[in-house]
Amino acid sequence: KNEVEQSPQNLTAQEGEFITINCSYSVGISALHWLQQHPGGGIVSLFMLSSGKKKHGRLIATINIQEKHSSLHITASHPRDSAVYICAVSGNYQLIWGAGTKLIIKP
Amino acid sequence: ETGVTQSPTHLIKTRGQQVTLRCSSQSGHNTVSWYQQALGQGPQFIFQYYREEENGRGNFPPRFSGLQFPNYSSELNVNALELDDSALYLCASSRDQANTGELFFGEGSRLTVL
Repeated sequence: KNEVEQSPQNLTAQEGEFITINCSYSVGISALHWLQQHPGGGIVSLFMLSSGKKKHGRLIATINIQEKHSSLHITASHPRDSAVYICAVSGNYQLIWGAGTKLIIKP
Repeated sequence: ETGVTQSPTHLIKTRGQQVTLRCSSQSGHNTVSWYQQALGQGPQFIFQYYREEENGRGNFPPRFSGLQFPNYSSELNVNALELDDSALYLCASSRDQANTGELFFGEGSRLTVL
């Protein structure tokens, strides 16, 4: 069993739909990161969470430390949101990466 | 757009050659981590440098080595290139070793080994 599990692996939705991506982890962490990777490779940090909830534009991220679970939500999804979304947790000096969720938003 | 730049963006080498990839860190960040991402896979941790010292290493052989300079820019060196070294190499800078702050990634260096 991987230390960081993401679901779903793939998600296709229509423009405007509410999107939820889940992340569960089994190790002790100092922080959890949500990252976005577009085709071509560049990775952008969306959120860093150690507790609670954060919101940035149409994106919302939550974390439940007791349950070792985090969610990334996208409201009013748009085709430009199409990307791979990755959950990664900070252990000691390295990030432990989830496998990523490939999101496709159709117009 | 982050303050982390990587060079070169693309390069092609042949088996047995050596390569040096470079990364400039976000201003004020003293920690840089390098990752290898093979096509269709998630990033794999190579090593981390903190204040010019290697701070941790993933499951990569010694022919993968690095340097961090006083200005916190960094190099990844790979000797005796193998076909399986073909990948996207990403660097990420952070303000601390435990990656508890925001991470800034470069766009990556895509290496093809023929």
